[in-house]
Amino acid sequence: DVKVTQSSRYLVKRTGEKVFLECVQDMDHENMFWYRQDPGLGLRLIYFSYDVKMKEKGDIPEGYSVSREKKERFSLILESASTNQTSMYLCASSQGQGSGYTEAFFGQGTRLTVV
Amino acid sequence: AQTVTQSQPEMSVQEAETVTLSCTYDTSENNYYLFWYKQPPSRQMILVIRQEAYKQQNATENRFSVNFQKAAKSFSLKISDSQLGDTAMYFCAFTPGGATNKLIFGTGTLLAVQP
Repeated sequence: DVKVTQSSRYLVKRTGEKVFLECVQDMDHENMFWYRQDPGLGLRLIYFSYDVKMKEKGDIPEGYSVSREKKERFSLILESASTNQTSMYLCASSQGQGSGYTEAFFGQGTRLTVV
Repeated sequence: AQTVTQSQPEMSVQEAETVTLSCTYDTSENNYYLFWYKQPPSRQMILVIRQEAYKQQNATENRFSVNFQKAAKSFSLKISDSQLGDTAMYFCAFTPGGATNKLIFGTGTLLAVQP
């Protein structure tokens, strides 16, 4: 059974803390994504990675960074957490170019609250 | 810019009835993929159906079918014989394919199936 696993389902952090959200996939996928989901705004892409050590900014990268040192792991980093980063964070992965089949698989999501 | 628009924030349908969710998108690409994802209250995002832009035939998966109008850039989802388990948030998504398979989502439609 294919799997994308996010390290935490719920997380509460203080303003100014450095926060790490971890995501691991076991499907040998090239692409990995981080989204944030807010009511009425859908899923907005923060960053994505199409290979190890490769990354591209999505639509809302400000205040975030990412790390992909190994193919199966993609980390989202909030350098200095702020209350406006309180949200649901979703990780996803998909196959790369030429696969012809680009379905994305999602983790369970992490609900982050910054107080 | 590549965008996905879902103009129906909420919809309601009676059990066993048929409902259609709307989606439009904007792209200058010719080869791309379209998806409908379902997110039930459990939060796990799962793929409902996908459509390759080069295929003229509309995709069908059991009770779920799409009406793909490439010229109009429209991709609606029809759910037949609605069931209580269909209650969920439905997201339309688009990927231009290519090297990065960036996946872009709409804002979602919350569907409630009434008994």
